[in-house]
Amino acid sequence: KQEVTQIPAALSVPEGENLVLNCSFTDSAIYNLQWFRQDPGKGLTSLLLIQSSQREQTSGRLNASLDKSSGRSTLYIAASQPGDSATYLCAVGSNYQLIWGAGTKLIIKP
Amino acid sequence: GAGVSQSPRYKVTKRGQDVALRCDPISGHVSLYWYRQALGQGPEFLTYFNYEAQQDKSGLPNDRFSAERPEGSISTLTIQRTEQRDSAMYRCASSYPTISEQFFGPGTRLTVL
Repeated sequence: KQEVTQIPAALSVPEGENLVLNCSFTDSAIYNLQWFRQDPGKGLTSLLLIQSSQREQTSGRLNASLDKSSGRSTLYIAASQPGDSATYLCAVGSNYQLIWGAGTKLIIKP
Repeated sequence: GAGVSQSPRYKVTKRGQDVALRCDPISGHVSLYWYRQALGQGPEFLTYFNYEAQQDKSGLPNDRFSAERPEGSISTLTIQRTEQRDSAMYRCASSYPTISEQFFGPGTRLTVL
């Protein structure tokens, strides 16, 4: 059974720092991996999608990597801003459903 | 174009009542998914449709939960005889094709008193 773990559960850093969020999964037989952002009381916003054949994806200040063999993905956020404060969720595509981590709550201090 | 929409956004009901949650996917998306998210946790899969066919309902907690998508577009998740433990955020997503990026609606916050 696929299990997804996100570490740390919470992170607080000063504005301007670069940071890395971690996601690990137990079964390497995945189709894709998505990183989402969740703001309080709002929906889930897809940030990056990495197909199983890819190693990384970039969008603006965000870069996500995927290492299937080790069961790991990282989300790198460059030059963090207060507006980046949110909960970040990693979801592994296993067949047609997404298996989710519990998320990392990120606070960027001005 | 319009994204995934869900209604109602908030639903408060009394224990024992039936509720129906609606999801309108992105136009042209053949796959539709329902998830449930408890506070402080990631979403959990409930069920999945390909067109109008319910391909997997293994995540539905019990037989009080059911879902349909009769015309392959709008879907309804119905919870009968609601219980307090059913309180959660119910999220709908759609994709095209299957096994591709999933796009989520705003969710329905269900509170059972």
